[in-house]
Amino acid sequence: GAGVSQSPSNKVTEKGKDVELRCDPISGHTALYWYRQSLGQGLEFLIYFQGNSAPDKSGLPSDRFSAERTGGSVSTLTIQRTQQEDSAVYLCASSLGDRGVSPLHFGNGTRLTVT
Amino acid sequence: SQQGEEDPQALSIQEGENATMNCSYKTSINNLQWYRQNSGRGLVHLILIRSNEREKHSGRLRVTLDTSKKSSSLLITASRAADTASYFCATVWLTAGNKLTFGGGTRVLVKP
Repeated sequence: GAGVSQSPSNKVTEKGKDVELRCDPISGHTALYWYRQSLGQGLEFLIYFQGNSAPDKSGLPSDRFSAERTGGSVSTLTIQRTQQEDSAVYLCASSLGDRGVSPLHFGNGTRLTVT
Repeated sequence: SQQGEEDPQALSIQEGENATMNCSYKTSINNLQWYRQNSGRGLVHLILIRSNEREKHSGRLRVTLDTSKKSSSLLITASRAADTASYFCATVWLTAGNKLTFGGGTRVLVKP
């Protein structure tokens, strides 16, 4: 079956512009995560959706970052007024359950470059 | 902040040798997972070990978990050039909302 799909795969934007990153999780997966990875670094947790519960937004670095998940499926990560330090690969993952009891399935990420 | 930290940060070995990397974490967990990442893109799940398990095998992979020391190790036996990747441990931080958090990773280079 289809895996986690992210779009676009690459995005170049000018400083100050807004960007939207999209994630299509695996059908039936209730948990959805967004992570950010800078070059050669580990994964930085951004936000976590689980079913109909309120999302865990504790990893969002500033109020310029927001995310939503519509109908328990597709998720959009929005970065407003982008800055150069926002340049990174943004990874989305989904899993069957919560509390980390199921493996995460990752998309191939969106490489964001802010010029 | 990160829950898990891998050690070493980088590892270079010859094909056929074993590769061992370690992960330490800070708080109580219900399981620990290992992932592999090639070329800086999506991660692939390798193995999950529950907190009541001490050792688990999957093919050439062997994972141990010592909850008293809050550490885990991943052993890759008879390494191949295709094992060249970054390896990450991940845990559910029970005291911080049950989300899965990752360590900084170990970059493994297997030379043919």
